[in-house]
Amino acid sequence: SAVISQKPSRDICQRGTSLTIQCQVDSQVTMMFWYRQQPGQSLTLIATANQGSEATYESGFVIDKFPISRPNLTFSTLTVSNMSPEDSSIYLCSAIKGDTEAFFGQGTRLTVV
Amino acid sequence: GQNIDQPTEMTATEGAIVQINCTYQTSGFNGLFWYQQHAGEAPTFLSYNVLDGLEEKGRFSSFLSRSKGYSYLLLKELQMKDSASYLCAVRDGDYQLIWGAGTKLIIKP
Repeated sequence: SAVISQKPSRDICQRGTSLTIQCQVDSQVTMMFWYRQQPGQSLTLIATANQGSEATYESGFVIDKFPISRPNLTFSTLTVSNMSPEDSSIYLCSAIKGDTEAFFGQGTRLTVV
Repeated sequence: GQNIDQPTEMTATEGAIVQINCTYQTSGFNGLFWYQQHAGEAPTFLSYNVLDGLEEKGRFSSFLSRSKGYSYLLLKELQMKDSASYLCAVRDGDYQLIWGAGTKLIIKP
């Protein structure tokens, strides 16, 4: 298994600003992912964070809005840029070791005002 | 297309048994996962099935039929703390998961 430390756990931000969310895993992992989850709904995959190269984004998500970094096998960041109230959501990072189950960070509850 | 269906909400009584169903249609299949998610918390792993049959883990069991594209999660001896959302997810390739919308389980005394 793996433990993922995600921060911040929550934030309230002004529209037009940017927030960077960090995830640190306690051991090397194969894959890292970023999800968004609206209250009461399931997980929506934003992108796969690739180590040392550009992230792979899902339909509806673009790099300019959600830049992602993964400089090594244990760390990744997601930035929510030029925020609007529609970006208010819970953001989750996830990791997989080999072909085992996915692990999750504690989540970041973002409110944009 | 990729599709995973599970009931939106279920209600059960403390001490009873409940079965949460999941049907899937995906381009590939490399395992099915069940996760539990309490309100305001991250999902936590419950079970994994890649071969047909029943996997038992304490009060929780998960069943898979690949030919039918069907799985269920069985929860026995329900406790109030089992009130949560239960997410079904299919790995259709090497790593990426396709998620169902989740089933909110309400346990009543």
